[in-house]
Amino acid sequence: AQSVTQPDIHITVSEGASLELRCNYSYGATPYLFWYVQSPGQGLQLLLKYFSGDTLVQGIKGFEAEFKRSQSSFNLRKPSVHWSDAAEYFCAVGLYNQGGKLIFGQGTELSVKP
Amino acid sequence: SAVISQKPSRDICQRGTSLTIQCQVDSQVTMMFWYRQQPGQSLTLIATANQGSEATYESGFVIDKFPISRPNLTFSTLTVSNMSPEDSSIYLCSVAVGTNTEAFFGQGTRLTVV
Repeated sequence: AQSVTQPDIHITVSEGASLELRCNYSYGATPYLFWYVQSPGQGLQLLLKYFSGDTLVQGIKGFEAEFKRSQSSFNLRKPSVHWSDAAEYFCAVGLYNQGGKLIFGQGTELSVKP
Repeated sequence: SAVISQKPSRDICQRGTSLTIQCQVDSQVTMMFWYRQQPGQSLTLIATANQGSEATYESGFVIDKFPISRPNLTFSTLTVSNMSPEDSSIYLCSVAVGTNTEAFFGQGTRLTVV
């Protein structure tokens, strides 16, 4: 069965420090992978996506993620965190040929210290 | 891309009553999805709403509790029936424009059952 695991429920980083959020997936076919961000009281915003090609993908707000097939991972990174990045981050896998149906990880809550 | 409008944005309801949530998309889409996000939890897919056929429900969700309508390619409703406090959640509508593409989300409906 398809699944997504985000091992870290809550991470706290200092403003200006680098960030890496972990995501591992289980899926039998070529995965479509996404990172979404949800700010308090807000809907979901797409940060970046991987469908094929270059395994390092760039997203909005200075985020990037790297797809590693051998590790079944799609970790999210940012070189310098801003206080406005505090939010909940969700990794998701899209099911092939199911038109946008997503399986989400548990989410990682990011706190940013001044 | 797609712009999704959900109504209502939030509601407080009495147990035993029902609430219908509306989802309007600014373009025609084949499949629409309804997710539930319980407090502090990730998103779980309730069902896929297909135009012209009955909705497809995920394990643990049934039509009697969550009836869905899909009268055309831009609109869907989800009803939460005979509500209990356990139904207090954020309900989100989602669409994908085309196959094997990213999903777009509405702002969600925050439901509190008292």
